[in-house]
Amino acid sequence: GQQVQQSPASLVLQEGENAELQCNFSSTATRLQWFYQRPGGSLVSLLSNPSGTKHTGRLTSTTVTKERRGSLHISSSQITDSGTYLCAMERDTGYQNFYFGKGTSLTVIP
Amino acid sequence: DMKVTQMPRYLIKRMGENVLLECGQDMSHETMYWYRQDPGLGLQLIYISYDVDSNSEGDIPKGYRVSRKKREHFSLILDSAKTNQTSVYFCASSWGGRGAEQFFGPGTRLTVL
Repeated sequence: GQQVQQSPASLVLQEGENAELQCNFSSTATRLQWFYQRPGGSLVSLLSNPSGTKHTGRLTSTTVTKERRGSLHISSSQITDSGTYLCAMERDTGYQNFYFGKGTSLTVIP
Repeated sequence: DMKVTQMPRYLIKRMGENVLLECGQDMSHETMYWYRQDPGLGLQLIYISYDVDSNSEGDIPKGYRVSRKKREHFSLILDSAKTNQTSVYFCASSWGGRGAEQFFGPGTRLTVL
């Protein structure tokens, strides 16, 4: 089946440090999407990126579909960034489907 | 107010009972989704709906069916629930489908005994 691997599984940063989250996937993807899950469980879409680099605020997503990898860079981390970051491989060739990784748990400490 | 709602928030059912999970959105989004999330497994897509009566299977549709009779409302139905369907279920909606930002509901925690 489809596989999406995220690394690291968990990460602890001091406030102000940068984070680099990795996402590797096992088959052809149309795009990568990144989601954030708050500690209470609610989910938010962050970025959708078919290829190349996209920025929004302190987030930078890079997707290299040919090499089946992507990353999410969080600059100047804040305590409120703590939570789980999920990478999803989206395929929409014919029918659409999403395959999620297990996530990277980020903890930002003062 | 851009919102996705889910009812109920918590539900306990016995194996073999029928389950109805409801999702609503007030943004007139065309596309709606049902996911489940289990500890250590991430999210899994159950169904996508592209509009009224236009539904498509996701990665794990077996044991589930959906109904979308109005654009703002999307239901997930479990006929004869099984214990392995115990999970947290999330509904989401988006403008269009491909690469669009998804707006999520708060989730329904379903326990099947």
